[in-house]
Amino acid sequence: AQTVTQSQPEMSVQEAETVTLSCTYDTSESDYYLFWYKQPPSRQMILVIRQEAYKQQNATENRFSVNFQKAAKSFSLKISDSQLGDAAMYFCAYRRGQRGTSYGKLTFGQGTILTVHP
Amino acid sequence: KAGVTQTPRYLIKTRGQQVTLSCSPISGHRSVSWYQQTPGQGLQFLFEYFSETQRNKGNFPGRFSGRQFSNSRSEMNVSTLELGDSALYLCASSLGVRGPYEQYFGPGTRLTVT
Repeated sequence: AQTVTQSQPEMSVQEAETVTLSCTYDTSESDYYLFWYKQPPSRQMILVIRQEAYKQQNATENRFSVNFQKAAKSFSLKISDSQLGDAAMYFCAYRRGQRGTSYGKLTFGQGTILTVHP
Repeated sequence: KAGVTQTPRYLIKTRGQQVTLSCSPISGHRSVSWYQQTPGQGLQFLFEYFSETQRNKGNFPGRFSGRQFSNSRSEMNVSTLELGDSALYLCASSLGVRGPYEQYFGPGTRLTVT
């Protein structure tokens, strides 16, 4: 079974600074997808960024980028120029690829609470 | 395009009762997944439906069930409620079940069992 681990229960950052959230996962599959979701106090889960395992290039979405290390099974999220609105719980998630039989099932990490200080 | 909607948003039930939660996916999305979120267990997968068929099921007792209608709307039902069923229930929709389809989440239904 696949597992996702986020070892940082809480992180904090000053506004305009950069912060990196860690995520490791365990899988025997070669085809999969990794995601970072953000859950603000409103509890609405919002997709931040996605990475396909077969792509070597790290995904980037504006101020958000990932460091995907497939061999190390590591998938960290870097938030640059942090803003107050970035404060939320961040979840790392795994999903098997096209050949998998788990279809759309997402396996989530425990989450990291990010606090942004003005 | 409207997002995923879930009704009701809040619900209070008594132990032993049953409850039905509803999820309307984004227009055009055919896959609906359900997750349970609790402080202790985190986010856990309940089940997934595609074209009115359950494609995948998580490790939950048979008291948890669901279905999907021809318009892709989905309902989940929990019978004989227990205190431990108190949670935020999240629904997510996507275009399909395979490939790089992203899942979009609804606002959730907060269920409190007393």
